[in-house]
Amino acid sequence: DAGVTQSPTHLIKTRGQHVTLRCSPISGHKSVSWYQQVLGQGPQFIFQYYEKEERGRGNFPDRFSARQFPNYSSELNVNALLLGDSALYLCASSSGGGQPQHFGDGTRLSIL
Amino acid sequence: GENVGLHLPTLSVQEGDNSIINCAYSNSASDYFIWYKQESGKGPQFIIDIRSNMDKRQGQRVTVLLNKTVKHLSLQIAATQPGDSAVYFCAENYGGSQGNLIFGKGTKLSVKP
Repeated sequence: DAGVTQSPTHLIKTRGQHVTLRCSPISGHKSVSWYQQVLGQGPQFIFQYYEKEERGRGNFPDRFSARQFPNYSSELNVNALLLGDSALYLCASSSGGGQPQHFGDGTRLSIL
Repeated sequence: GENVGLHLPTLSVQEGDNSIINCAYSNSASDYFIWYKQESGKGPQFIIDIRSNMDKRQGQRVTVLLNKTVKHLSLQIAATQPGDSAVYFCAENYGGSQGNLIFGKGTKLSVKP
């Protein structure tokens, strides 16, 4: 069975640009969460979506937004990119009901 | 691949020995805890989880212990193998959805053959 898939795997942008990252959850999973992982640190929670509704938001500026589609895939959007946004962006899915989250391999975003 | 283990606490063990990785969590209201393994260039891989109504849970070669009194979590890996070398993260959750995990700093496990 396919795990969580994310695209693209790597991306290079410049300051001020906008980026869209994509995530396909494990089949049957309705919950998707996004995390940012800076090199040498643990992932930091950005958003959770369940059944297309936002269920949680971490301490990130309004430049970060996300949405979930009817097929439960999700997009993370970041506007007005800053150098500090360079990180690995991880998507995780779960079936809900207290089940563990399973992560994709992330999108490595580099801001020049 | 990227080095997720930069500047992290490191535990070095001999192949075949048991490993114990410790984690202090932050919120006494947390009711769900989970361990992940992350290899270079990959996302975190689920190992084992435990709820606050338990103090021990066993999986295949792994055991998680929870001490709520001192807000401490540990992961024990039996007969450690070179393939266990990775960065290990504990994470906690409160609020019931398990979709909002708070991760610890991570420990790099290095297994010597």
